[in-house]
Amino acid sequence: GAVVSQHPSWVICKSGTSVKIECRSLDFQATTMFWYRQFPKQSLMLMATSNEGSKATYEQGVEKDKFLINHASLTLSTLTVTSAHPEDSSFYICSARYRTTDTQYFGPGTRLTVL
Amino acid sequence: TQLLEQSPQFLSIQEGENLTVYCNSSSVFSSLQWYRQEPGEGPVLLVTVVTGGEVKKLKRLTFQFGDARKDSSLHITAAQPGDTGLYLCAGSNTGNQFYFGTGTSLTVIP
Repeated sequence: GAVVSQHPSWVICKSGTSVKIECRSLDFQATTMFWYRQFPKQSLMLMATSNEGSKATYEQGVEKDKFLINHASLTLSTLTVTSAHPEDSSFYICSARYRTTDTQYFGPGTRLTVL
Repeated sequence: TQLLEQSPQFLSIQEGENLTVYCNSSSVFSSLQWYRQEPGEGPVLLVTVVTGGEVKKLKRLTFQFGDARKDSSLHITAAQPGDTGLYLCAGSNTGNQFYFGTGTSLTVIP
């Protein structure tokens, strides 16, 4: 089946540093990838939609200059949290849309802790 | 904007009991997915329903898509501790938009 990986699975960084999270579709090409943020026992909050070869579409309230998204190929999207602060600590999850279907396949998530 | 409301938000039941989780919206969706998520992991797709009134079964799980494609339900028969997790519904429309439900946290006590 469709497999999506994320790297790293967890990261701890100091306040003010930048962190890059990779999302890869391993066995299919994904023209669209999504980035979510999730707090404990809550649902997923969509941050942005990433389309290969074009600029990401950010949801209202998400700072595009803080959360940089690059979708350079059909199998890779990256999320860079710039100048991270403790309030950015969260579980970040990516997903990839399989072809033209309405189904998303999710990565295992990345736990970010900013000290 | 959260377009999909799930109920209940939290559910704790004994092993062997039955339960139903609801996913409701005022919007029409072209399809709806159900996911289960365990702590520290990404959501895992359980089912996709696309036709109004459609019923799909996955072992002890029964999924139904409302006739008007605005709502859905997930029924679990004889729940087991392994069913514990966060259940999420997600609706999508033809505009490449996905909307997640508010989530239902299920705990099945042995």
